[in-house]
Amino acid sequence: AQSVAQPEDQVNVAEGNPLTVKCTYSVSGNPYLFWYVQYPNRGLQFLLKYITGDNLVKGSYGFEAEFNKSQTSFHLKKPSALVSDSALYFCAVRDRGRDDKIIFGKGTRLHILP
Amino acid sequence: GAVVSQHPSWVICKSGTSVKIECRSLDFQATTMFWYRQFPKQSLMLMATSNEGSKATYEQGVEKDKFLINHASLTLSTLTVTSAHPEDSSFYICTPWEYEQYFGPGTRLTVT
Repeated sequence: AQSVAQPEDQVNVAEGNPLTVKCTYSVSGNPYLFWYVQYPNRGLQFLLKYITGDNLVKGSYGFEAEFNKSQTSFHLKKPSALVSDSALYFCAVRDRGRDDKIIFGKGTRLHILP
Repeated sequence: GAVVSQHPSWVICKSGTSVKIECRSLDFQATTMFWYRQFPKQSLMLMATSNEGSKATYEQGVEKDKFLINHASLTLSTLTVTSAHPEDSSFYICTPWEYEQYFGPGTRLTVT
């Protein structure tokens, strides 16, 4: 069965600095990987996904993520953080070749300090 | 893009009553829906997968008699929490199998 690990409960970054939110995954087959953001009392907003092709995926709001097969990682990055980026971020994996479920990491709370 | 709606967005009910949550695909047909629940400040846990015209598939540990899922048409899947208890208070979210980018806005259930 697939799984996702987000090792950091919280990440603090000063506004204007680059940010990274870490994610590692485990699947039997080829993974579909996703990042979502959630604001308080709101549903999930899709940021980006990796299916195949270029390992660097660009998404919404200036976010990007790099797929690293050898390290089974899919870290979320942004070159310059904004205070408005403060939210809860979820990494998710889907094993389309097997049970086809979308499994989420526990989430990482990102705090951008003004 | 694919739009998913949920109704109600927030519901408060008394212990012992049942609550129905609707998940609708507004501009596409969804043969399969994933239902998740999210406790405060926690991750999304997959509860079940609903399939149009057939029985839902429940994840291990989810009580199928308590969380009744029906996928009556290609645009509507429902989750009914039967005999609700305070521990069922949670945020319930649906998403279509076909479109991982689109999640419903969620339904917050509070059981008093």
